[in-house]
Amino acid sequence: GESVGLHLPTLSVQEGDNSIINCAYSNSASDYFIWYKQESGKGPQFIIDIRSNMDKRQGQRVTVLLNKTVKHLSLQIAATQPGDSAVYFCAEKSGAGNQFYFGTGTSLTVIP
Amino acid sequence: DTEVTQTPKHLVMGMTNKKSLKCEQHMGHRAMYWYKQKAKKPPELMFVYSYEKLSINESVPSRFSPECPNSSLLNLHLHALQPEDSALYLCASSQLWGASTGELFFGEGSRLTVL
Repeated sequence: GESVGLHLPTLSVQEGDNSIINCAYSNSASDYFIWYKQESGKGPQFIIDIRSNMDKRQGQRVTVLLNKTVKHLSLQIAATQPGDSAVYFCAEKSGAGNQFYFGTGTSLTVIP
Repeated sequence: DTEVTQTPKHLVMGMTNKKSLKCEQHMGHRAMYWYKQKAKKPPELMFVYSYEKLSINESVPSRFSPECPNSSLLNLHLHALQPEDSALYLCASSQLWGASTGELFFGEGSRLTVL
């Protein structure tokens, strides 16, 4: 399944399928991007990050892709599990200071 | 378990009260942040402290007053709040290497209700 961020803030996928969550960021000068997972009643939890000198980075079951030309970031989750159900946010580091700004978020629901 | 500790977890206050939210981290991080999060919305940046100095204030109303007593502690003093200030207040920290920074580590948040 795949989301398009602002237009599809919810995504439902079957357990075992791959998920793709998209994020359009705002500042072409942003140099660092992070994906966070937030479960209900908890603080955001780091998933994976990528700096602007890279276009792909892989973790355990997760891959982040960065397309600076169109200012687009995506998170791919392989073999999605029920425990992956949460809201996913992208964050960009923007500006001369250490400001991190968050995207709208996508709510992922995994159907067993 | 998060390494950023926020207290209290829940706070209910009237519009004339004065209260404080507290945040503590022992990871040696030199940047600390306050974010405000409303239901079903992303965290909104309020303040950034870098090396214990206020570096970013995102035009936050003066009824919110941050304080960084030392490199491990961050407070948010609250006074004369409005009901629309009810939200989850998140503290975060990050490592600094000169002008570069690492990822944000978040606490579990303080749920504030203003009556």
